[in-house]
Amino acid sequence: ETGVTQTPRHLVMGMTNKKSLKCEQHLGHNAMYWYKQSAKKPLELMFVYSLEERVENNSVPSRFSPECPNSSHLFLHLHTLQPEDSALYLCASSQAVGWSGGLDTQYFGPGTRLTVL
Amino acid sequence: KQEVTQIPAALSVPEGENLVLNCSFTDSAIYNLQWFRQDPGKGLTSLLLIQSSQREQTSGRLNASLDKSSGRSTLYIAASQPGDSATYLCATVRGRETSGSRLTFGEGTQLTVNP
Repeated sequence: ETGVTQTPRHLVMGMTNKKSLKCEQHLGHNAMYWYKQSAKKPLELMFVYSLEERVENNSVPSRFSPECPNSSHLFLHLHTLQPEDSALYLCASSQAVGWSGGLDTQYFGPGTRLTVL
Repeated sequence: KQEVTQIPAALSVPEGENLVLNCSFTDSAIYNLQWFRQDPGKGLTSLLLIQSSQREQTSGRLNASLDKSSGRSTLYIAASQPGDSATYLCATVRGRETSGSRLTFGEGTQLTVNP
């Protein structure tokens, strides 16, 4: 068990649906991340939260809406998605607040496999 | 913008072989480089982290090297086992961040070790 859990593990949705992905970390970390992993493409960083504040949005379309209600939970709200949004969505967390000398290690959840029809 | 490339994209070897996975990056101004393992249906597991001031790191049968000036890293796996079958990802850490870390990933090398 990695200490980072994600639900659901699989999700199929239509383009008009609204759904949410949930991530929970049990490691006492201060930073949380959403990544997108598409077939044959590198992992792409989507959002970064530090101490519940969003500190990075990597030019993600507004149909993806993140929420971090507390330091242990991170959500990704989805609405009016496109088929090209089908991918594996990974959540990660890390300890660092303040400069760690580049030693901050991210711990990943198992991901949610999203299919948009 | 940092670009990370991994070669080969896929590799199949018989059990017991020693093997090398390659990673190259375009911007040498990195703070560290990490190697991850990804198993099907699971998240990423960090294997080795090499700080920019280091040349290599070792963990068990794994040895990772870093040459910042040439923008290259290699992951050496000794005496490969079927349990090593997974996708191996290389990631660089950019800049100086005070709110977590920022990783740029390569596409990965899918390794299959045959019994």
